[in-house]
Amino acid sequence: DVKVTQSSRYLVKRTGEKVFLECVQDMDHENMFWYRQDPGLGLRLIYFSYDVKMKEKGDIPEGYSVSREKKERFSLILESASTNQTSMYLCASSQLFRGLPNNQPQHFGDGTRLSIL
Amino acid sequence: GEDVEQSLFLSVREGDSSVINCTYTDSSSTYLYWYKQEPGAGLQLLTYIFSNMDMKQDQRLTVLLNKKDKHLSLRIADTQTGDSAIYFCAERAPMNTGFQKLVFGTGTRLLVSP
Repeated sequence: DVKVTQSSRYLVKRTGEKVFLECVQDMDHENMFWYRQDPGLGLRLIYFSYDVKMKEKGDIPEGYSVSREKKERFSLILESASTNQTSMYLCASSQLFRGLPNNQPQHFGDGTRLSIL
Repeated sequence: GEDVEQSLFLSVREGDSSVINCTYTDSSSTYLYWYKQEPGAGLQLLTYIFSNMDMKQDQRLTVLLNKKDKHLSLRIADTQTGDSAIYFCAERAPMNTGFQKLVFGTGTRLLVSP
């Protein structure tokens, strides 16, 4: 079974702090993703990475950065946390989309509920 | 742009069938997915359907796809209290960069009462 592990289930930080959210997957997947989940908005893609040291912006990258130094680990960084970044953060991984019609579903971690005070 | 819509709530009685509906906008979507999220947990892949199929059945789950109307539904037969969760519909859509991403709906909260 694919295992995606997020380092913290709950995290409380203060406004202006630099915050790191860590995610590790054990299936040698090329793709890794960071989403935030807010009520009534579903999941929105922040950043994704298709290879080590590679990253692509998602739909809402402002205020965030990412790091992928090793294939199994993908970190989300809040450079200067703000209260509007209070949310549930979900990490996911998948195999590379090697053309159509291959199906490579995304596998999710349990999420990190982040509160910024 | 792509958009995926779902109703927010559905309430059923144990033993009834549940039908969760979803509409999407990107006609180039190749795969459509249903994910389940239980309280305090991440998303669990339930099932998926390829865009050239009309229906897919997997035990108590039936997925129906109407590609003309861009409508997807998930039917859960003999709904149990353990099925209470949020259900997300997602479509796989291309990005301008050539990569593909999943676009999620807002989620439908299913409440099953005894």
